[in-house]
Amino acid sequence: QVQLVESGGGVVQPGRSLRLSCAASGFTFSSHGMHWVRQAPGKGLEWVAVIRYDGSIENYVDSVKGRFTISRDNSKNTLYLQMNSLRVEDTAVYYCAREGPQAEFDPWGRGTLVAVSP
Amino acid sequence: QSALTQPRSVSGSPGQSVTISCTGTSSDVGGYNYVSWYQQHPGKAPKLMIYAVSKRASGVPVRFSGSRSGSTASLTISGLQAEDEADYYCYSYAGNYNYVFGIGTKVSVL
Repeated sequence: QVQLVESGGGVVQPGRSLRLSCAASGFTFSSHGMHWVRQAPGKGLEWVAVIRYDGSIENYVDSVKGRFTISRDNSKNTLYLQMNSLRVEDTAVYYCAREGPQAEFDPWGRGTLVAVSP
Repeated sequence: QSALTQPRSVSGSPGQSVTISCTGTSSDVGGYNYVSWYQQHPGKAPKLMIYAVSKRASGVPVRFSGSRSGSTASLTISGLQAEDEADYYCYSYAGNYNYVFGIGTKVSVL
């Protein structure tokens, strides 16, 4: 079945880096745009980044531009999020999600927790 | 990109209908048919309920429906059930590879 599994989260100090991965299975990964969405503790969903199916276009929410980089390896069916210069306010559960033909997000992974703490 | 506006909470008794509004602008909700709704139970990942404004996702009960008028989209739950108690988020494409979620609405079943 269609599945997304995130990994790479953990506790990190402010200013440090972390790389998240999202392993995809059950569908043609190279045919879909992919996204990262985050949710701070007790808060709502926030779209973070998108990458086009072929990796040719990326975009980010303003608060992470210049610090985060989304990438993909279609040969490994894997999506990545490189997070540099992490801030306390980046603390959240990070979900990866597949984009459908009507720009819907389906499915979602279970998420991985990133905690930025001094 | 500002978050879409939703009521913080709505509630209803079992069997009643509730409607959640999602207000954006002509640059997002009012400008594209790429509006969707997500249900999230505590500690769980979001689940797609409605996409393309009014299409039900696979396996979603018919009591869930979506609509839009101008720059305001709506999710209606007809015949509220206990398992519908959750957080609900609207979402819209906003052009140029920008995407925006609503602030979320907590639905309580009394």
